[in-house]
Amino acid sequence: AQSVTQPDIHITVSEGASLELRCNYSYGATPYLFWYVQSPGQGLQLLLKYFSGDTLVQGIKGFEAEFKRSQSSFNLRKPSVHWSDAAEYFCAVAARGGADGLTFGKGTHLIIQP
Amino acid sequence: EPEVTQTPSHQVTQMGQEVILRCVPISNHLYFYWYRQILGQKVEFLVSFYNNEISEKSEIFDDQFSVERPDGSNFTLKIRSTKLEDSAMYFCASDRGLGDTQYFGPGTRLTVL
Repeated sequence: AQSVTQPDIHITVSEGASLELRCNYSYGATPYLFWYVQSPGQGLQLLLKYFSGDTLVQGIKGFEAEFKRSQSSFNLRKPSVHWSDAAEYFCAVAARGGADGLTFGKGTHLIIQP
Repeated sequence: EPEVTQTPSHQVTQMGQEVILRCVPISNHLYFYWYRQILGQKVEFLVSFYNNEISEKSEIFDDQFSVERPDGSNFTLKIRSTKLEDSAMYFCASDRGLGDTQYFGPGTRLTVL
């Protein structure tokens, strides 16, 4: 069974600083990879996804993520965070093919300091 | 932009009562999903639904749960006899299948007293 590890429960970053959120997955092959963001009291919004091709994917709100097969990682980055980026970030994987549900990590809570 | 909608936004019920959570998936999507998120925990997959039948389900999705697409637009999750531990946020999602992006609704917060 696939699993997702987000090793950082909380991360605090100063506004304007760069950000990297870590995500490692365990799966027998290369899965589909996603990053979702959840603001307080809100649903899940897709930031970006990796299916195939270029391992550096661009998403909304200035986010990007890099798939590294050798490290089974899909880390999320942003060069300069804004106060509005404060939220919960979830990495998720899905098996290729079929109607499998997403397997989510436990999430990383991002706090932005002024 | 089309979106997944869910009603109600908050449901309070007594333990042992039945609840039905409703979702309207995006109209041209073929696969429908339910997830739950217990407060402070990760989002967990419950069930996927395609072509009017369950496609996959997790261990959480036991006999107290059922899903239905009663008409061409709604997708429902029924919890037959609610327990305190069913208190959670329930998310509906839909996609076109074959690895397409799943779009999530805003969720229904279920509180079981």
